[in-house]
Amino acid sequence: EPEVTQTPSHQVTQMGQEVILRCVPISNHLYFYWYRQILGQKVEFLVSFYNNEISEKSEIFDDQFSVERPDGSNFTLKIRSTKLEDSAMYFCASSEEADTQYFGPGTRLTVL
Amino acid sequence: AQSVSQHNHHVILSEAASLELGCNYSYGGTVNLFWYVQYPGQHLQLLLKYFSGDPLVKGIKGFEAEFIKSKFSFNLRKPSVQWSDTAEYFCASTFYGNNRLAFGKGNQVVVIP
Repeated sequence: EPEVTQTPSHQVTQMGQEVILRCVPISNHLYFYWYRQILGQKVEFLVSFYNNEISEKSEIFDDQFSVERPDGSNFTLKIRSTKLEDSAMYFCASSEEADTQYFGPGTRLTVL
Repeated sequence: AQSVSQHNHHVILSEAASLELGCNYSYGGTVNLFWYVQYPGQHLQLLLKYFSGDPLVKGIKGFEAEFIKSKFSFNLRKPSVQWSDTAEYFCASTFYGNNRLAFGKGNQVVVIP
């Protein structure tokens, strides 16, 4: 069964550094998403992406964040200048239509 | 903002016991409802979903959920749990007009053999 994959599984970075989290959505899916879960808190929506542009974003997704689909398979989340409070598990998801979302295993980001 | 709430965040029960996890959402319009499960060390997996039609939805691994519109609820049930059901369970919803999933805080379920 096709799955969403994410790399790396763990990322440790210094405050102020840029990080890029990578995702490979399921191949025939058209909608892509990023969520994050800070330890002990709810999974929170960050952004959705369709037809090569952002379709929706949350208040969390400020100018420090950006997303890109650089080629036909990858979907990336960039954080330009990481802060301590960006430490979280970041989940990528994809869906064929705007309905059922399938999640990747997550990237644990630790900002020191 | 629309939200999803789950209670009894930690549940411990013995094998063969029945399980019911509550989920409530705070939106009076059209909703799509989901239960996801995360087994230890694994990613979020879809257990079941409700979009429309029969309010009693059957999912994988013997789970079912019932949509009760008047109570804004979508509770998850399993009549007889197994040790392998030890996992974290998340209720989630999308609300009319957008695709963002709103998650509940999750229920950590531990099944004792």
